[in-house]
Amino acid sequence: AQSVTQLGSHVSVSEGALVLLRCNYSSSVPPYLFWYVQYPNQGLQLLLKYTSAATLVKGINGFEAEFKKSETSFHLTKPSAHMSDAAEYFCAVSEDTGNQFYFGTGTSLTVIP
Amino acid sequence: DAGITQSPRHKVTETGTPVTLRCHQTENHRYMYWYRQDPGHGLRLIHYSYGVKDTDKGEVSDGYSVSRSKTEDFLLTLESATSSQTSVYFCAIRASGTNTGELFFGEGSRLTVL
Repeated sequence: AQSVTQLGSHVSVSEGALVLLRCNYSSSVPPYLFWYVQYPNQGLQLLLKYTSAATLVKGINGFEAEFKKSETSFHLTKPSAHMSDAAEYFCAVSEDTGNQFYFGTGTSLTVIP
Repeated sequence: DAGITQSPRHKVTETGTPVTLRCHQTENHRYMYWYRQDPGHGLRLIHYSYGVKDTDKGEVSDGYSVSRSKTEDFLLTLESATSSQTSVYFCAIRASGTNTGELFFGEGSRLTVL
């Protein structure tokens, strides 16, 4: 079975500072990897996805993530945090296009003015 | 916009009563999912469907049943609601026609069982 681990359930950064949200996965086959963002009282929105085309993936709102097979990681970064980035972030993994997704437990990002 | 509508968006009910949540999609996607979201647990899969009348269990299926009689509708039923089923429920569809098949989510249904 696959699993996703998000290190740090709460992360706080100052406005303008680097954002780094960590995600490690376990999978016996090359995975599809995703980051989602959830704003209060809303559903999840796709930030970016890795589909084996390129290891550095750029998403919306200035976020990017790098797939590192040797480390089984897919960490999310943004060079400069903005107040509007405050939200819950979820990493997810899937092995194929048909069946199940597996989600991490989420990381709540707080941006301090 | 993936055209997903969940209803009701908010519901308060009492222990032991049946509850049905509806997920409606407008784009004929084959795969539909029901998740529950709870603090500290992230999203956990309840049931999913891969076609009309084709469903399968997820990791937290006990106490829940589903039905899919039409492509566009996926119903989640709590036969006898319990307080442990107080949660936010999300429906999702998996994008068809792409090689990644990312999920698109509805806005959620907040259920409180007293």
